[in-house]
Amino acid sequence: GQQLNQSPQSMFIQEGEDVSMNCTSSSIFNTWLWYKQDPGEGPVLLIALYKAGELTSNGRLTAQFGTTRKDSFLNISASIPSDVGIYFCAGMNYGGSQGNLIFGKGTKLSVKP
Amino acid sequence: DADVTQTPRNRITKTGKRIMLECSQTKGHDRMYWYRQDPGLGLRLIYYSFDVKDINKGEISDGYSVSRQAQAKFSLSLESAIPNQTALYFCATSPGTYEQYFGPGTRLTVT
Repeated sequence: GQQLNQSPQSMFIQEGEDVSMNCTSSSIFNTWLWYKQDPGEGPVLLIALYKAGELTSNGRLTAQFGTTRKDSFLNISASIPSDVGIYFCAGMNYGGSQGNLIFGKGTKLSVKP
Repeated sequence: DADVTQTPRNRITKTGKRIMLECSQTKGHDRMYWYRQDPGLGLRLIYYSFDVKDINKGEISDGYSVSRQAQAKFSLSLESAIPNQTALYFCATSPGTYEQYFGPGTRLTVT
C-alpha cells in the first residue's frame, strides 16, 4: 500500500537547538497533518495543512505543505525537554478513500537538557 | 474529562480468547476509527465507520471485527486472539474533515 517516508527516524539534540524533519510521498497529497505522541499516550494533532505552499505555525512549531504536493516539513525552534516524543506525519492523497489517512513511521526526538 | 476514552487501558490475554476493546467519545463526531501501532511500523488502519450504519475495512482487518453501537461508541473485537496481535490499539474520531483525534490507547498483550 501507499507509504510515507519520514526522516530522520530519530534525533538527539541539545536543548535550545532547532529541529527539522520531513515526510515524502510517491504520490500527490491534498492534506498533510503533523502529530506528536508522548510515551504511553495517543497522538495529538499539532498542525493541519490543506494547500500547497501553505506555511502554518503553532507556537514554536512551523509546518509547510511542499509545493510539489509530495512532501511536508516540520520545524521546531529552540527545543525544550518537553518536546521529547515521536512526531508523525500523516496525509491524504487525491483519490484515496476518505477514511484512510496514511501515516509515516515517525521521528523520535530526544532532547538533552 | 477526556473527549475520547478507551477501555481497558491495558489487557493481557491468552491465545484463543475473545477480547473486546471499547471506545467512547463526547466530541459529537460521526466518524470513528480503529488503528494498531507496532514499534517501527507507525499506525495502521483496522476499521472505520462514518456513521452508525456504516462500517468499512481498513488496511489490516483480518482477525478483527467491529461494532458501532451508537454515534459515540465503537468497539473492536478479536474473535480468537493470537500473539502477533500484541500491539497498541488506538481509537480516533473525526468531524468529517481530514483531522483525526486519538484516544489514549489500549496496550494489548496476547500470550
